[in-house]
Formats: sequence, structure tokens, C-alpha cells
Amino acid sequence: EAQVTQNPRYLITVTGKKLTVTCSQNMNHEYMSWYRQDPGLGLRQIYYSMNVEVTDKGDVPEGYKVSRKEKRNFPLILESPSPNQTSLYFCASSLTLVDQPQHFGDGTRLSIL
Amino acid sequence: AQTVTQSQPEMSVQEAETVTLSCTYDTSESNYYLFWYKQPPSRQMILVIRQEAYKQQNATENRFSVNFQKAAKSFSLKISDSQLGDTAMYFCAFLDGDYKLSFGAGTTVTVRA
Repeated sequence: EAQVTQNPRYLITVTGKKLTVTCSQNMNHEYMSWYRQDPGLGLRQIYYSMNVEVTDKGDVPEGYKVSRKEKRNFPLILESPSPNQTSLYFCASSLTLVDQPQHFGDGTRLSIL
Repeated sequence: AQTVTQSQPEMSVQEAETVTLSCTYDTSESNYYLFWYKQPPSRQMILVIRQEAYKQQNATENRFSVNFQKAAKSFSLKISDSQLGDTAMYFCAFLDGDYKLSFGAGTTVTVRA
């Protein structure tokens, strides 16, 4: 079954404690991206990757890092989380650069205290 | 980032009736893609329909159709014969030439029985 898997689904943590949200897809998609969803703002793109070792900033990259060492994985790293990063996060992947995200993960609810 | 505006925060429709969601965007590009996504209470993100800017014909997917007015930078979604399962938040999204995806703030649609 085609899937984008994010972990964890929920996380409550404290300011400054490094965390990683993993994202893995089993569809051999080249394009992967991360979004955060906040009420009244819709989804905003954090980072995206067009292929292995190729990543680029989206609209709100501050405070986040990503890596794409293998095609299937695209982890999101918060080196020093702050309360303004409390949000719902989605990872997504797509087959081609113009076949835009058709597969989303189930979301990760992060609360930074 | 491109600006995507959804001016209707909430809409309500009777089952079997038609509802139209508005979306406008701001861009200087001539070639781009537009999308509508559905997010039901399960918070899954589901691609509803996509439109390529160079195609004049409006996209249709079953009960979902768009009215794409390129000169007016408008991309509305019509849901015909509304069903209870259509209750969800709907997001309009714009893909630019750098493959960045920008979303509107969303419109919550409630279908009444």
C-alpha cells in the first residue's frame, strides 16, 4: 500500500530539547516536502526536496533543518524548539515535480512548552 | 511566496445542493498549477482536483469542477450534489515555477442533512 509515514503522531516536549520528526515514503517519489498547519494560515511549506541531497527552503524555514540522504526518507529536525513551533506538521511526497503532493502523511501534532 | 486568498472562512450547504468555494491568487508567472485539497476531520490531506494554467479547459473530477479564470486570477471549486462526506476544510493551493506550493487559509464546508 502506498504510504507516507510520519512519526511520532503526537509529541509534547519542552523548549530547547532537540527533536526529529521522521518521514518515510514507499512509492519511490522524488519530491518530498514538509508543511506546518496553523489555524487561519492554512499550510505553509517549510522545506522541500527534489531528490537525494537536494533540498530547498520553503516559506517558513527558520528554526528547522532537513536532510535527504536517501530517497525514501526526509526527516524534519528542530534543533532548539520554541513554543512558536507548536503546530500540526505534514510530510508529503509526489511522483514528479509537477505532479504535486498527492500523498500526505497523517500529520504530527507537536506541542512545545 | 505567492499569495493565495480564500475569502470564505466557512460555508454551509444542504445535502444534494451545490456550493462554490472561491480562491484568488497573485502571480506574475504565466505557467503554474493550481489545486484544491480536502481535509476531513480525520485531518488527512486529499487532492481533489488540479488545473494546469496553460490549459483553458476547466478540470472536472466527478462531482467536483473548477472555474479557472486566468486573467482574473481566480480558481473556484464547485461541489455538485453535496454529500455528507464532503464535510471538510478545503484548501486552494498554487504551485509556482520554483516548485514551491502555497496554500490559502482554507474554507470549512459543512453539509447539512
